[in-house]
Amino acid sequence: DQQVKQNSPSLSVQEGRISILNCDYTNSMFDYFLWYKKYPAEGPTFLISISSIKDKNEDGRFTVFLNKSAKHLSLHIVPSQPGDSAVYFCAASAPGGTSYGKLTFGQGTILTVHP
Amino acid sequence: NAGVTQTPKFQVLKTGQSMTLQCAQDMNHNSMYWYRQDPGMGLRLIYYSASEGTTDKGEVPNGYNVSRLNKREFSLRLESAAPSQTSVYFCASTRTSGFLEQYFGPGTRLTVT
Repeated sequence: DQQVKQNSPSLSVQEGRISILNCDYTNSMFDYFLWYKKYPAEGPTFLISISSIKDKNEDGRFTVFLNKSAKHLSLHIVPSQPGDSAVYFCAASAPGGTSYGKLTFGQGTILTVHP
Repeated sequence: NAGVTQTPKFQVLKTGQSMTLQCAQDMNHNSMYWYRQDPGMGLRLIYYSASEGTTDKGEVPNGYNVSRLNKREFSLRLESAAPSQTSVYFCASTRTSGFLEQYFGPGTRLTVT
């Protein structure tokens, strides 16, 4: 039972345009969501996170939107750059205590930004 | 400030051999984690340590053991490697309060033949 799903295996975008990466989850106990970027042969790099008490968080070119009622989150990258080409993972964590930081990951979406 | 470091970067084992993957963090984080990533999949949690002196199982713990040596170091041991343990292994660390930001090491690529 996959609790975090990224249904689009790949996304292709033109440089300068918006990239929108989507993620759905099934576990209503998740209260913190994170996005990571991963290049081949490297570890995941933390991009941005959002708590369930918010519906939007921005950091530079990256904005994450959370729709709790739909159990859906999305990452917007504006404007997209060729260096953004990587695999993007969303991840979720249940509330504090010993579950804090135990991340459940989606399968990833390969983003390709064309010059 | 190196963040999270892992050794070795690559390893090839024969079935039945044992090895220990090492991980260290210099961010003074309390919690540390071991994940594995298989082709076409997301990362899956093997074991974690919420604080020094404690460890607990994650989603896929079978065939592994861990040791939280001190606050900085968290090792993962394969006692008798199997081909199904061929994977890329990532160590991570995080604070235990405030905003959740988890930082990953560069990974160890393990092949078991």
